[in-house]
Amino acid sequence: DGGITQSPKYLFRKEGQNVTLSCEQNLNHDAMYWYRQDPGQGLRLIYYSQIVNDFQKGDIAEGYSVSREKKESFPLTVTSAQKNPTAFYLCASSPTTGEAGANVLTFGAGSRLTVL
Amino acid sequence: AQSVAQPEDQVNVAEGNPLTVKCTYSVSGNPYLFWYVQYPNRGLQFLLKYITGDNLVKGSYGFEAEFNKSQTSFHLKKPSALVSDSALYFCAVSAGANILTGGGNKLTFGTGTQLKVEL
Repeated sequence: DGGITQSPKYLFRKEGQNVTLSCEQNLNHDAMYWYRQDPGQGLRLIYYSQIVNDFQKGDIAEGYSVSREKKESFPLTVTSAQKNPTAFYLCASSPTTGEAGANVLTFGAGSRLTVL
Repeated sequence: AQSVAQPEDQVNVAEGNPLTVKCTYSVSGNPYLFWYVQYPNRGLQFLLKYITGDNLVKGSYGFEAEFNKSQTSFHLKKPSALVSDSALYFCAVSAGANILTGGGNKLTFGTGTQLKVEL
């Protein structure tokens, strides 16, 4: 079955450590996204990529970094510069064909990061 | 800037009764509107979308939504609620500069509405 795999599902980190969240998709989608979810705040866009070797900052990129070396993969690094990293992180992908704005995002199951 | 408002943090409905989850939006230009559902500790699942045309959109699991341009609303509805519909529902919008020239889609999400359907 096609889909998006995020790992790990749960992650604990000490303050000052960088952590990398994995996101892999086999949907052959060109675009990939990282969102952060906090209770009562909905989803906020961290980074997105529309094509391999290119990515753009979203609304809350500070303290995060990404890479897009392969079409299937879009890992997110939460750096020690992120002041409040405890959150639920969601990766998504979408096609870039068809009517712009109408493309549906498909989401992974998420990774829950807790900073101790 | 575009925004989405979901005015109710929680909606409680008895099983078998109709349900409505409210969403209003603010954008420049014509909106593309989406509803997603999230079960506990899971990702979001797509329910339906409005692009153009008929204001009443039908989606998965018997859900539908009505686009109202004058009221800038896109309320989610279902004629008869099930206990299994209990979940967190998100409205999202894309319009204007958030529709990327590369075909990607920068969705802006509401804060979510927790739907609880009881027996």
